[in-house]
Amino acid sequence: DVKVTQSSRYLVKRTGEKVFLECVQDMDHENMFWYRQDPGLGLRLIYFSYDVKMKEKGDIPEGYSVSREKKERFSLILESASTNQTSMYLCASRLRAGTTNSPLHFGNGTRLTVT
Amino acid sequence: GQQVMQIPQYQHVQEGEDFTTYCNSSTTLSNIQWYKQRPGGHPVFLIQLVKSGEVKKQKRLTFQFGEAKKNSSLHITATQTTDVGTYFCAGLGISSGSARQLTFGSGTQLTVLP
Repeated sequence: DVKVTQSSRYLVKRTGEKVFLECVQDMDHENMFWYRQDPGLGLRLIYFSYDVKMKEKGDIPEGYSVSREKKERFSLILESASTNQTSMYLCASRLRAGTTNSPLHFGNGTRLTVT
Repeated sequence: GQQVMQIPQYQHVQEGEDFTTYCNSSTTLSNIQWYKQRPGGHPVFLIQLVKSGEVKKQKRLTFQFGEAKKNSSLHITATQTTDVGTYFCAGLGISSGSARQLTFGSGTQLTVLP
């Protein structure tokens, strides 16, 4: 069974801090994603990566960056945290992109509060 | 860009009643996936629909993909308390390259009253 592990379940940071959210998957998946989930807005894609050292912007990349130095690890970075980045952050992975599009496997999420 | 609208946002039903959630895309989809998120949990993949007009069943759950591949529905017959959660649809656009990413609907939060 695929396991996607996010390093923290809850995180509280101050405005202006640099924040790192870590995600690790154990099934050699090529693709990894970062979403944020807010009530009434569903899941919105922040950044994704098709492979090691590759990254592409999603729908709401402003204020975020990512790093994928190893295939199993995908990090989300908040360069200078702001209160409007208080949210639930979900990491996901999938085997690879393709015509039929294999399903996403999600981590348990990190609830980030910026004060 | 591509948008996926999902209604209703909330639904309360008595146990044993039926439930339906609907998704509509602003553009034609390559395929659509459905996920369920239990309270306090993370989204879990339920099913994928690929063909125009496709209907798939999983026990009491029936999934449909519209003929034009722009809408989809999830119907639950005789709801149980174990059905509680938020149901998301996620559509894959037909454009090529990196733009082919899933766009999630806003979800329908289902409450089942015993």
